[in-house]
Amino acid sequence: DQQVKQNSPSLSVQEGRISILNCDYTNSMFDYFLWYKKYPAEGPTFLISISSIKDKNEDGRFTVFLNKSAKHLSLHIVPSQPGDSAVYFCAASGAGRRALTFGSGTRLQVQP
Amino acid sequence: DAGVTQSPTHLIKTRGQHVTLRCSPISGHKSVSWYQQVLGQGPQFIFQYYEKEERGRGNFPDRFSARQFPNYSSELNVNALLLGDSALYLCASSLEQGWNQPQHFGDGTRLSIL
Repeated sequence: DQQVKQNSPSLSVQEGRISILNCDYTNSMFDYFLWYKKYPAEGPTFLISISSIKDKNEDGRFTVFLNKSAKHLSLHIVPSQPGDSAVYFCAASGAGRRALTFGSGTRLQVQP
Repeated sequence: DAGVTQSPTHLIKTRGQHVTLRCSPISGHKSVSWYQQVLGQGPQFIFQYYEKEERGRGNFPDRFSARQFPNYSSELNVNALLLGDSALYLCASSLEQGWNQPQHFGDGTRLSIL
């Protein structure tokens, strides 16, 4: 049973435009959510996180939105740059443990 | 400051063999977690250690074991290797084990089983 789902395996956007990556979760006990970026042959790099007491967190070009009632979060990248091309993973923790549960990832391609 | 370091970067083994993977956390980080990532999927949690004690275990068979040393480095051991154990093994560290602590990953060990 996949508790964290990223339903779009890939996304392509033009440089300078907004990239929106989506993530859904099913476990209502999750209370901390993170986004990671992964380049080939490297480990996931932490981007941004949000706790369940907030609905928005911003860090530079990256903003994460959390909709608890819909069990949905999204990552907005504005403006998108070619260097943002990577696989993005959504992850969640909670339910009494700190292990991260990951989605299957979304491959973002930013076209110059 | 150095990030999470893992060794070796690549490893080739045959079925039935045993393997030990090593991880050094970011300086000052006390919690280490291990994840397995197979192609096309997100990382799957194997173990978490904090202050040398196991604090969490994922849905993996007993062939998988781990430990954490007094300097907070960690080893992941896998016995009786199967073809399905071929994967990228990731180590992550965090400052504490509590909530709202982002985990920072190493570049992983690519394990291939022939």
